[in-house]
Amino acid sequence: GQQLNQSPQSMFIQEGEDVSMNCTSSSIFNTWLWYKQDPGEGPVLLIALYKAGELTSNGRLTAQFGITRKDSFLNISASIPSDVGIYFCAGQLRRGAQKLVFGQGTRLTINP
Amino acid sequence: DSGVTQTPKHLITATGQRVTLRCSPRSGDLSVYWYQQSLDQGLQFLIQYYNGEERAKGNILERFSAQQFPDLHSELNLSSLELGDSALYFCASSVAYGTGGLDEQFFGPGTRLTVL
Repeated sequence: GQQLNQSPQSMFIQEGEDVSMNCTSSSIFNTWLWYKQDPGEGPVLLIALYKAGELTSNGRLTAQFGITRKDSFLNISASIPSDVGIYFCAGQLRRGAQKLVFGQGTRLTINP
Repeated sequence: DSGVTQTPKHLITATGQRVTLRCSPRSGDLSVYWYQQSLDQGLQFLIQYYNGEERAKGNILERFSAQQFPDLHSELNLSSLELGDSALYFCASSVAYGTGGLDEQFFGPGTRLTVL
């Protein structure tokens, strides 16, 4: 089935640093979503992207839908301790309430 | 709080048993999705229901089944449980087919299933 390659798998940074992670696919996706998951909790939607080239921000988070529709990145600026968690990219092949295909996740650890 | 509720939060059972996981979608959402999250497989789509009807199937085992009721809540039934079925099971909901923000799926807190 479809797979999303998400990198890096883990990141260890200092508080205040910027973070960048990305997802790539061999398939074209029409929607890209970024989620954050805390231990023992469900994924929480951070940003949704619907158009190729779209750049969307949510506070210190910025995500872009790649022009080729096969990739997306998420940036976090000026990281803070509560940013710790696992970040997942997810894509939908077609518009309209379709299943999500998830990346493997990026585990973010922040040293205060 | 996403507005999606799942019960129970934890479930411990033995191999060969059958369990039922329950999900209530956000108010107004017609689509319900079930996902399985295990350490080695990540988040995997199992099945989707829309307004009571099955819409899509993923890698769902024949021992697993689901349904969506007229009040839109959904249940995932897992039978003949095996050790490898131990995982987090998430339900997500979205409004319906459409454009713009209607594709967004909101996840519940999950049910942690442990099969001993």
